[in-house]
Amino acid sequence: AQSVTQLDSQVPVFEEAPVELRCNYSSSVSVYLFWYVQYPNQGLQLLLKYLSGSTLVKGINGFEAEFNKSQTSFHLRKPSVHISDTAEYFCAVVYNQGGKLIFGQGTELSVKP
Amino acid sequence: DAMVIQNPRYQVTQFGKPVTLSCSQTLNHNVMYWYQQKSSQAPKLLFHYYDKDFNNEADTPDNFQSRRPNTSFCFLDIRSPGLGDAAMYLCATSRVTASGGQSYNEQFFGPGTRLTVL
Repeated sequence: AQSVTQLDSQVPVFEEAPVELRCNYSSSVSVYLFWYVQYPNQGLQLLLKYLSGSTLVKGINGFEAEFNKSQTSFHLRKPSVHISDTAEYFCAVVYNQGGKLIFGQGTELSVKP
Repeated sequence: DAMVIQNPRYQVTQFGKPVTLSCSQTLNHNVMYWYQQKSSQAPKLLFHYYDKDFNNEADTPDNFQSRRPNTSFCFLDIRSPGLGDAAMYLCATSRVTASGGQSYNEQFFGPGTRLTVL
C-alpha cells in the first residue's frame, strides 16, 4: 500500500543547532513530494515541494530537502533553527498524477533556548 | 492575495446540534477538499469536490455532508455532532487537470476551524 513514514514523532533541539526531519515513502514510481508546517491552531503551510528536476529543493524559512529516489526518502533539513520553528511538520506524497495527497504522521519539532 | 478562507475559526456546538463550517477560495481552483484533523494526528481526508462532482471517502461517516454551490464556496455539514467529532477541520484547494496533462495536486490549505462539541 502507498504510505508515508515520518520516522520521528518528536524532535527536540536547541536553538541554532541543525535539524533533520526524516521522511520515507513506499514507492519509487512517479511521485510528487511536499513538506508542510503547521503552527498551533493554524492550517498547513507549504514549506517546499519536489515535482521534478534538481533533487535538492529549497523552501521558505531556510528549510531545504533532498529527494533520494534510491532510498525513497525526502528528508527536511535546516542548518540553524530558531525558536519560531517550533511547530508540527508533515511530509506528504502524491503517488500518481492527480492522486490523493498522502500524509505522514507528523513530526513535532521543539526548539529550546 | 489569493487565498483559502475558513469561517468561523472557532466553533462551539452542542452534542447533536447541526453545525455548518464554511470555506471559500479566491484561487479559482477546481478541486476543494475537507479534512478532519484530531489532536497530534495527520489530516484525514473526508471528501472532495472535483468541480461539481462529489467524492466521498469510504470511511467517512454519513453524519458528514458537504455542499459546493459554486466554484468559490464549499460547506461542511455535520448533522448530529458527537463528542468524537471535536477536531480541527481543514479546507484545501488544488488545480487538478484532466488526464493527459500534468497534475501535481499541490494543495493550498485554509487556517482551519476548531470545532468543540459540548
